[in-house]
Amino acid sequence: QQQVKQSPQSLIVQKGGISIINCAYENTAFDYFPWYQQFPGKGPALLIAIRPDVSEKKEGRFTISFNKSAKQFSLHIMDSQPGDSATYFCAASGGTGGFKTIFGAGTRLFVKA
Amino acid sequence: GAVVSQHPSWVICKSGTSVKIECRSLDFQATTMFWYRQFPKQSLMLMATSNEGSKATYEQGVEKDKFLINHASLTLSTLTVTSAHPEDSSFYICSARVTSRLYEQYFGPGTRLTVT
Repeated sequence: QQQVKQSPQSLIVQKGGISIINCAYENTAFDYFPWYQQFPGKGPALLIAIRPDVSEKKEGRFTISFNKSAKQFSLHIMDSQPGDSATYFCAASGGTGGFKTIFGAGTRLFVKA
Repeated sequence: GAVVSQHPSWVICKSGTSVKIECRSLDFQATTMFWYRQFPKQSLMLMATSNEGSKATYEQGVEKDKFLINHASLTLSTLTVTSAHPEDSSFYICSARVTSRLYEQYFGPGTRLTVT
């Protein structure tokens, strides 16, 4: 119940294309859903986050879509650039786990120039 | 804002020795810090949650006598890997939670530990 399932494991996108990464959760008590970006040898960086009271949040080229009834959320990267090549982790926190963050398995994104 | 630093960024030590890793919140106070371990091409595994002035809470399967955590102030937490062995080699990452924004975590740059 505490798991967050992330797909795909890896993704290759052409420069200028849209990258889409999906996540699903079971615990309906989760109430904060962040996405993190991690470059090799670096710590994760908070990219964008959403609460379940909204269905979409956009920040620049990054958009989170949230479907509360389906218990799914996704990250869309518009106009993907080679500099976006990194590993992306979805996560969820709240509920009985308190503020402990549960991470998805990660998606390795490669944007071809 | 919300910058977290770690020191050292990488360390090599001999089997049987102890290594201390520092995690500092540079521009904010963090009542709670978290320590993660990450193996290559894998996700982050939470090791323990550290609250300032109290004992750390360890996740199931994490040896608290091996991974000593001290959160002495609102800006500093340390992880000491005692009697390190090659299987302890990993990427260790800390994060800090902004007190006024309970859900947001900010991660340090990580420490690469290699035990020979």
